[in-house]
Amino acid sequence: GENVEQHPSTLSVQEGDSAVIKCTYSDSASNYFPWYKQELGKGPQLIIDIRSNVGEKKDQRIAVTLNKTAKHFSLHITETQPEDSAVYFCAAIPTGGGNKLTFGTGTQLKVEL
Amino acid sequence: GAVVSQHPSRVICKSGTSVKIECRSLDFQATTMFWYRQFPKQSLMLMATSNEGSKATYEQGVEKDKFLINHASLTLSTLTVTSAHPEDSSFYICSAEDRFGNIQYFGAGTRLSVL
Repeated sequence: GENVEQHPSTLSVQEGDSAVIKCTYSDSASNYFPWYKQELGKGPQLIIDIRSNVGEKKDQRIAVTLNKTAKHFSLHITETQPEDSAVYFCAAIPTGGGNKLTFGTGTQLKVEL
Repeated sequence: GAVVSQHPSRVICKSGTSVKIECRSLDFQATTMFWYRQFPKQSLMLMATSNEGSKATYEQGVEKDKFLINHASLTLSTLTVTSAHPEDSSFYICSAEDRFGNIQYFGAGTRLSVL
């Protein structure tokens, strides 16, 4: 089955700096890679996603890149703000996996003033 | 974006009682919904896949008689924790799949505390 690894587990940046979170996956058949933001005591919120036929996708301050050959994908947040502080999860859905999400272990991002 | 409503947000119950959690897709139809469990500072663990009009599919190690799932309509799935015990205390989260884009939208979660 699919295995998703996520690094780092914690990340602290100064406000205005960029933050990068990286994930690797094991199943080369995976074709959909969403990123979720989870604030304390709340459910995950989809912030951006990418499919395997695209190498990069951007939405304002958030971007995701995908390297299918290396089987890794990354989340990039630019001009970080305190409200970006949360836990971020990457995930993958393998082809034929019944659309089950396999989540990474999460990254606690703290944006300091 | 699509909205998934989960209710209640928090429930405290006595050991031995049953608790029902509802998950509704408010502005789209979801033939498939998922139920997750999350322990503090950990990732989401898939418990079961709920399909409208059919029996749920449970992940290995999840007791189907303990966690009853019903998906009677395209907008509602329920999870009932039967005969709850303190070890069932956790954060339960549902998601609903957009059947056109295969995107999962999550509810706000239910914090279950069993005394």
